Amino acid sequence: GEDVEQSLFLSVREGDSSVINCTYTDSSSTYLYWYKQEPGAGLQLLTYIFSNMDMKQDQRLTVLLNKKDKHLSLRIADTQTGDSAIYFCAEDSSNTGKLIFGQGTTLQVKP
Amino acid sequence: DVKVTQSSRYLVKRTGEKVFLECVQDMDHENMFWYRQDPGLGLRLIYFSYDVKMKEKGDIPEGYSVSREKKERFSLILESASTNQTSMYLCASSWGRQADQPQHFGDGTRLSIL
Repeated sequence: GEDVEQSLFLSVREGDSSVINCTYTDSSSTYLYWYKQEPGAGLQLLTYIFSNMDMKQDQRLTVLLNKKDKHLSLRIADTQTGDSAIYFCAEDSSNTGKLIFGQGTTLQVKP
Repeated sequence: DVKVTQSSRYLVKRTGEKVFLECVQDMDHENMFWYRQDPGLGLRLIYFSYDVKMKEKGDIPEGYSVSREKKERFSLILESASTNQTSMYLCASSWGRQADQPQHFGDGTRLSIL
């Protein structure tokens, strides 16, 4: 079945770059999403990438997609303490409107 | 901006009670979803709905039911609450079934069953 995998935890120093990785299994996914969840809050859409793209950049965020390896990454440049949150990767499920989420990666930013 | 509102941020109920979690969206979205979130497990889909009076089972529907009498409102019902249903519950909505329609989330309800 469809599955999305992420590592659970990443710790970086303020000002460094963060790279959060995700692997997925559904090769028919047309869009892949990154959501951010701050403590005690719901999920906020950060960015998404169409499956025929390799890269998408949006200010400090860069999304890289390797379709062959079914690997997605989110790079945050100049990471700030306000970037501390849980980051979820998600893929659409064969045009059903459903999303399959990974377990979430907790990003800890140390001053 | 899309607004998805969940009626309670925190809720404490007792084992065996019937519990209602309410969710309202203001963008005329067709699709609505209920998830539960547990540490290390990510989001798991409980139920979803593509239109009024329609409902579909997600991955973990046991012990839950839903109601969608109006397009903007999607209710999650715990028929007889149990302690293993203590969790964070998240509601989401989106436009149609096209792949380029991201889901928009409410702030969540943290439910404790004693």
